[in-house]
Amino acid sequence: AQRVTQPEKLLSVFKGAPVELKCNYSYSGSPELFWYVQYSRQRLQLLLRHISRESIKGFTADLNKGETSFHLKKPFAQEEDSAMYYCALGPGGYQKVTFGTGTKLQVIP
Amino acid sequence: NAGVMQNPRHLVRRRGQEARLRCSPMKGHSHVYWYRQLPEEGLKFMVYLQKENIIDESGMPKERFSAEFPKEGPSILRIQQVVRGDSAAYFCASSPPITGSEQYFGPGTRLTVT
Repeated sequence: AQRVTQPEKLLSVFKGAPVELKCNYSYSGSPELFWYVQYSRQRLQLLLRHISRESIKGFTADLNKGETSFHLKKPFAQEEDSAMYYCALGPGGYQKVTFGTGTKLQVIP
Repeated sequence: NAGVMQNPRHLVRRRGQEARLRCSPMKGHSHVYWYRQLPEEGLKFMVYLQKENIIDESGMPKERFSAEFPKEGPSILRIQQVVRGDSAAYFCASSPPITGSEQYFGPGTRLTVT
């Protein structure tokens, strides 16, 4: 069965500090991992996906198959990064995606 | 492209009534997904539909819930005889028929059962 675990409900960091949002998954096949973000009063939107290996808004995430992790990182947090972040797992293709419970990132000025 | 549209944005129903939630996917998208978010919880997959077909309904409660995506018109999530536990935010997402596409989310419908 697919499962995504985000152990932290809330992560508070100071502006300029590094950020790491944790995500672990379980999946028997070849997974496709995503990070979605929801800013206040906005709809959920894709932040990045592991297959594109790109950096969006300074965020990066590396898929570690050995540790079954896909942690989201940013070296210097900014106030506008405050939002809910969801890690998501798909089997590839346009099939159902399993979401984690989300981590609220709060960047303190 | 207007994005994924959902209506109504807020819906209040009394116990025992029916709730109908609508989702219009983005233009060119033929795949629709419904998710439910209970208070303090993450999004839970409910159902995945293509035009006139239910592909995966493994997340749908066995009773009272149904979904459709007709050839013409929006996708409908229908909840019969609502109970207080159905109070949640219901999100719809759509994607084009291309392997590996991201899902584009609507703003959600917040259902309150009194």
